[in-house]
Amino acid sequence: GENVEQHPSTLSVQEGDSAVIKCTYSDSASNYFPWYKQELGKRPQLIIDIRSNVGEKKDQRIAVTLNKTAKHFSLHITETQPEDSAVYFCAHPPIKAAGNKLTFGGGTRVLVKP
Amino acid sequence: DTEVTQTPKHLVMGMTNKKSLKCEQHMGHRAMYWYKQKAKKPPELMFVYSYEKLSINESVPSRFSPECPNSSLLNLHLHALQPEDSALYLCASTLGPPNTEAFFGQGTRLTVV
Repeated sequence: GENVEQHPSTLSVQEGDSAVIKCTYSDSASNYFPWYKQELGKRPQLIIDIRSNVGEKKDQRIAVTLNKTAKHFSLHITETQPEDSAVYFCAHPPIKAAGNKLTFGGGTRVLVKP
Repeated sequence: DTEVTQTPKHLVMGMTNKKSLKCEQHMGHRAMYWYKQKAKKPPELMFVYSYEKLSINESVPSRFSPECPNSSLLNLHLHALQPEDSALYLCASTLGPPNTEAFFGQGTRLTVV
């Protein structure tokens, strides 16, 4: 996406290990940082999001952290399982841009090896 | 109802055909989006409708023509497509501005022959 950069593009981890994906943004005014998961052949679905008034949010094995100073936010998956294998996209919708522009980072293909 | 429904799921069309993709949501969402997704790539924004008005056209070729008949429906009319237009076309909706959860349809897998 033009307003967010995502790394790495691929990530292979052993089952049970942790995975971390990072997105860097440029628009400081926007306050919403979502992460979407797209399994093979399926639609993207929101898995976790955070707003700029908090630094971290957890939901079971997934968490998102936000570093406003460095302008990046990260997705953390702990105790990875085979069903975590998917493509993950970050987004950082702008506030000021007219017309509700919702674009995505380049995606990270996560493969969890049993 | 937290679903976005797209029809058809699969579509094969010739380069001289005219076809339409349909998207429907009944969540009261006022922003609706069309995306094109190629294999191993992120969804690429094509059009955004906000309160039934076209608010964003990402320089999409005129062979793609969007339409929003009402707040629940979004269409994408296709005419004289090229083989490189073959892709997964995703519809999405948000309650209002995109700083809320986006709900996606399951997509239409389009093949242009």
